[in-house]
Amino acid sequence: KAGVTQTPRYLIKTRGQQVTLSCSPISGHRSVSWYQQTPGQGLQFLFEYFSETQRNKGNFPGRFSGRQFSNSRSEMNVSTLELGDSALYLCASRLEGLPLGTQYFGPGTRLLVL
Amino acid sequence: AQTVTQSQPEMSVQEAETVTLSCTYDTSESDYYLFWYKQPPSRQMILVIRQEAYKQQNATENRFSVNFQKAAKSFSLKISDSQLGDAAMYFCAYRSKQTGANNLFFGTGTRLTVIP
Repeated sequence: KAGVTQTPRYLIKTRGQQVTLSCSPISGHRSVSWYQQTPGQGLQFLFEYFSETQRNKGNFPGRFSGRQFSNSRSEMNVSTLELGDSALYLCASRLEGLPLGTQYFGPGTRLLVL
Repeated sequence: AQTVTQSQPEMSVQEAETVTLSCTYDTSESDYYLFWYKQPPSRQMILVIRQEAYKQQNATENRFSVNFQKAAKSFSLKISDSQLGDAAMYFCAYRSKQTGANNLFFGTGTRLTVIP
């Protein structure tokens, strides 16, 4: 079974631009979560989507948004990019209903904001 | 809010030796999940081992085992017979069992170096 895939893998943007990142979960997984990883703040939870609905949200400004499609693929969007948005963005999918419900991570999208 | 603390930013171990990585957490919940994830230089986060809080028995996965001390809120990872491929960042993570709160809370990580 294919793992979690994320596109693009690398991205360079300039301040003020917006960016859209994509995540395809493991087949059958309907829960998709997004995390931001930076050297200073570590790994921080952005939001979780399940069945096309945002179920949980971390403490990030409204410039960070996401959505999920009927096939469980998810996108996250960052508008009006700031230098501090440079990070590795990780997506994780989870099979609902199983004990433990482990999250499986994708390889990440490395975003550099200049 | 739950917090996860990894007090060892870096650790090193000789190949074939054993190393223990520490993790403590703070929560008011009685049942939850704990995980250790490994992130090698390739950046892909890989699950190493997981534990349910209500289970007294410590989880084991081949060379990896945990020492789960619920009362002390401690969840350490022991790697036996260390291999060069074990070199990576290791993150301890907590997840609530409450519906709608499925996000992971991560520690700051421990960078493990394996010396040949």
